[in-house]
Amino acid sequence: GEDVEQSLFLSVREGDSSVINCTYTDSSSTYLYWYKQEPGAGLQLLTYIFSNMDMKQDQRLTVLLNKKDKHLSLRIADTQTGDSAIYFCAERNYGQNFVFGPGTRLSVLP
Amino acid sequence: DTGVSQNPRHKITKRGQNVTFRCDPISEHNRLYWYRQTLGQGPEFLTYFQNEAQLEKSRLLSDRFSAERPKGSFSTLEIQRTEQGDSAMYLCASSPGQSSNQPQHFGDGTRLSIL
Repeated sequence: GEDVEQSLFLSVREGDSSVINCTYTDSSSTYLYWYKQEPGAGLQLLTYIFSNMDMKQDQRLTVLLNKKDKHLSLRIADTQTGDSAIYFCAERNYGQNFVFGPGTRLSVLP
Repeated sequence: DTGVSQNPRHKITKRGQNVTFRCDPISEHNRLYWYRQTLGQGPEFLTYFQNEAQLEKSRLLSDRFSAERPKGSFSTLEIQRTEQGDSAMYLCASSPGQSSNQPQHFGDGTRLSIL
C-alpha cells in the first residue's frame, strides 16, 4: 500500500535554514511533490522532482531524494516569517491520484 | 487565468441536508480531482475526471456522494443526507494534458460544517 509520513512540527529562527523530511513507501512513485498550505487556503505547489533525479534546486528551495531509502526532504534557505505554513509531501505512482502526508507545520520565530 | 475556483468558500448546514459544491478548473486543464481534508490531515483523494469521464473513485466516496463534470469543464460534488463526519474542507484540483506527470493545481477549497 501507499503511505507517506512526515514529522508534524518544525520550529526555526528567521534567517536559518529549514529542513522538512518525508518518507514514502511506494517504490513505483514516479514523481514526488511539495505543497504549501496557508491557513484557510488551498495547496500551493512549491516544487516537484522526478524519481530518477536526486536533487533539484529552485531559488531558496532544495529538494533531495534518496530513492533507496524512500526519503525526500525540502530545504528552505534563509527562512522568513512568510514561510510559516503547513508543508505537504505527496507521491504519485503509476495511478492517477496523489497520496499526501499529514503535513509538517513550520513555525518561523523572529 | 485566475486559477482553480471553488464555490462556495464556506457552507454551514444541518445534518441530513443535501449540499452541492462547484469547482471551475483552470481553463485548459482536462483533468479534475476532488479531495477531502480534515483538520490536521493531508488531503485524501475522492475521485477524478478526465474531461467528462469519471475514471476513478476512492472507497471514501460513499453512495451519498456523487460528482459530475457534464461538459468536461466545471464539476460539482454533491453530498446527500449529510452527516457530522462529512465536516471537512473539500478541495478541487486540476492538471493539464494527457500525461499523468503534470502537477495538480488546487483551489482554495470549500469548508463544510455540519451542525
